[in-house]
Amino acid sequence: DAGITQSPRHKVTETGTPVTLRCHQTENHRYMYWYRQDPGHGLRLIHYSYGVKDTDKGEVSDGYSVSRSKTEDFLLTLESATSSQTSVYFCAISESRGVPQPQHFGDGTRLSIL
Amino acid sequence: DQQVKQNSPSLSVQEGRISILNCDYTNSMFDYFLWYKKYPAEGPTFLISISSIKDKNEDGRFTVFLNKSAKHLSLHIVPSQPGDSAVYFCAASGGNEKLTFGTGTRLTIIP
Repeated sequence: DAGITQSPRHKVTETGTPVTLRCHQTENHRYMYWYRQDPGHGLRLIHYSYGVKDTDKGEVSDGYSVSRSKTEDFLLTLESATSSQTSVYFCAISESRGVPQPQHFGDGTRLSIL
Repeated sequence: DQQVKQNSPSLSVQEGRISILNCDYTNSMFDYFLWYKKYPAEGPTFLISISSIKDKNEDGRFTVFLNKSAKHLSLHIVPSQPGDSAVYFCAASGGNEKLTFGTGTRLTIIP
């Protein structure tokens, strides 16, 4: 299994509070991603990173920000959580080899915004 | 606009028989396709992939077929086993590292 750790695994918080989710990898992979999974939508890309301090938006980036100050850590922040951000969040990583590579996923963070 | 579609939300198959999961895509720029398997409370696990230069890729009990003209791919599992019961996602990418996922198909293997 790819060395990916997401923390926390579960979180319940209130609308309007800031929330930060952490993804930590031990594989030294270049690419890191944040997805959310919701019923009827599959997995949707929020933000991704292609190197330290290099990030870009995905399909559903509104209301989220990310930071990557070290190769191994990718943080997802909800500045002011809303109930629509209740979801399961997955981090993924992939290598850079010049040809497409599969992404490997962490076990997710279940976030509930009340 | 759903660029990757899995039109069957669920599928039940007898143990030992073949499971066939289907996926359609609309974006002709997609050139790399993957299948993932997901158990409850776990992250998706990569199963098998195929590049657009191929029409078939096999890995043990799993075979992925790609029909570029129809923009269709399928995953065949033979023989199906109880541990194959899970949600299966297809995904696609085109020229970059970003994946677009389908909505998933829940496969149930009946003993």
